[in-house]
Amino acid sequence: NAGVIQTPRHKVTGKGQEATLWCEPISGHSAVFWYRQTIVQGLEFLTYFRNQAPIDDSGMPKERFSAQMPNQSHSTLKIQSTQPQDSAVYLCASSLLGVSQNTLYFGAGTRLSVL
Amino acid sequence: AQKVTQTQTSISVMEKTTVTMDCVYETQDSSYFLFWYKQTASGEIVFLIRQDSYKKENATVGHYSLNFQKPKSSIGLIITATQIEDSAVYFCAMRPPNQGGSAKLIFGEGTKLTVSS
Repeated sequence: NAGVIQTPRHKVTGKGQEATLWCEPISGHSAVFWYRQTIVQGLEFLTYFRNQAPIDDSGMPKERFSAQMPNQSHSTLKIQSTQPQDSAVYLCASSLLGVSQNTLYFGAGTRLSVL
Repeated sequence: AQKVTQTQTSISVMEKTTVTMDCVYETQDSSYFLFWYKQTASGEIVFLIRQDSYKKENATVGHYSLNFQKPKSSIGLIITATQIEDSAVYFCAMRPPNQGGSAKLIFGEGTKLTVSS
């Protein structure tokens, strides 16, 4: 079991460029989460997929951010027109479904730096 | 509103001692799930231990245990016989059960633990 895989580990973009972050959940996990971590805001929830369907995107900034899960083996987080305030570590996590199985397993994260 | 609060920003202890990290939470639900995670210096976030609110017995895993006080909405993490490698940032998290189908965890601010020899 390779764990949750996130690529790239580091990404540097210029202001106004697009950034796409990738996540491969643990095989068999049907719940996928995206979080953002900064020193100031801590661990912020962004969005949640269950069986590839978007269930909760209450933490996603309304503009420029979007997430998809086209198949059970990967999810993407896309940030259009990146801004310096988007600089953060973006974390993907997965879990089994069911309240008794809801322990999240995190990937190593993608550190996004917007210059 | 659902909220998790860790008031201790940082704690320093000597190796082989016992440390307790505090966490309080706010929820209107009577049933919920509580977790502790550890983030190492490399940034890796690792699950440590969980407590289901309907269970009266405090959870224990290895040298981690919990002090669950439901009337006080408190879930403390106790680490016994601390080791240098326990140095990390510890996060408390809560999953309320009724979130419109969402399974997201709400995290506290984190407590940085430094263990010295």
